[in-house]
Amino acid sequence: DVVMTQSPLSLPVTLGQPASISCRSSQSLVHSDGNTYLNWFLQRPGQSPRRLIYKVSNRDSGVPDRFSGSGSGTDFTLKVSRVEAEDVGIYYCMQGTHWPRTFGGGTKVEIK
Amino acid sequence: EVQLVESGGGLVQPGGSLRLSCAASGFTFSSYWMNWVRQAPGKGLVWVSSIKSDGSSTSYADSVRGRFTISRDNAKNTLYLQMSSLRAEDTAVYYCATLPVVAVADYWGQGTLVTVSS
Repeated sequence: DVVMTQSPLSLPVTLGQPASISCRSSQSLVHSDGNTYLNWFLQRPGQSPRRLIYKVSNRDSGVPDRFSGSGSGTDFTLKVSRVEAEDVGIYYCMQGTHWPRTFGGGTKVEIK
Repeated sequence: EVQLVESGGGLVQPGGSLRLSCAASGFTFSSYWMNWVRQAPGKGLVWVSSIKSDGSSTSYADSVRGRFTISRDNAKNTLYLQMSSLRAEDTAVYYCATLPVVAVADYWGQGTLVTVSS
């Protein structure tokens, strides 16, 4: 199985400051079709997860442009340009290239 | 309005069985792969199983293969997860989700709690 490793585990951030989360996979996420299927999700406290980013860098509808995804191969990053209060929660990466689907362990973002 | 509503969770003894359902509305259910994802108390997300839009293909996590069966009824817009030989480590909130990897909408239910305990 592809192991997804996120860092840091916890990320205290000051409102208005940037935040960055790393996600590394144990093998390349480049699919045989040439696409890289790496998603990012946010689970706010007490809520179901919500996808933010698909295929490394594509924002879902309604996701603010302060969220951006980047990376390639085995190394990926989610950045929030200016953290707002509503961004608090646990962020997960998930690979959709290989079976079984696997999630990272999560990064908890909180306000300092 | 899109809705995924899970039901069927509850308390079950080790070795017991349970059937989860997920009723979909507000989108073309029969066009989507569907998935079950679980989350143990205080833990992260774990993919459990997937089923193709027409039900012709399924996939399972190693931890549940042979014990869980995913199925769907597109006429009833409903996804199922039949769980048997349940273990304490199956205790979790079970979410149904579309979980797409491409540019189609991602939908999640509110989850249903399964507790395996004597």
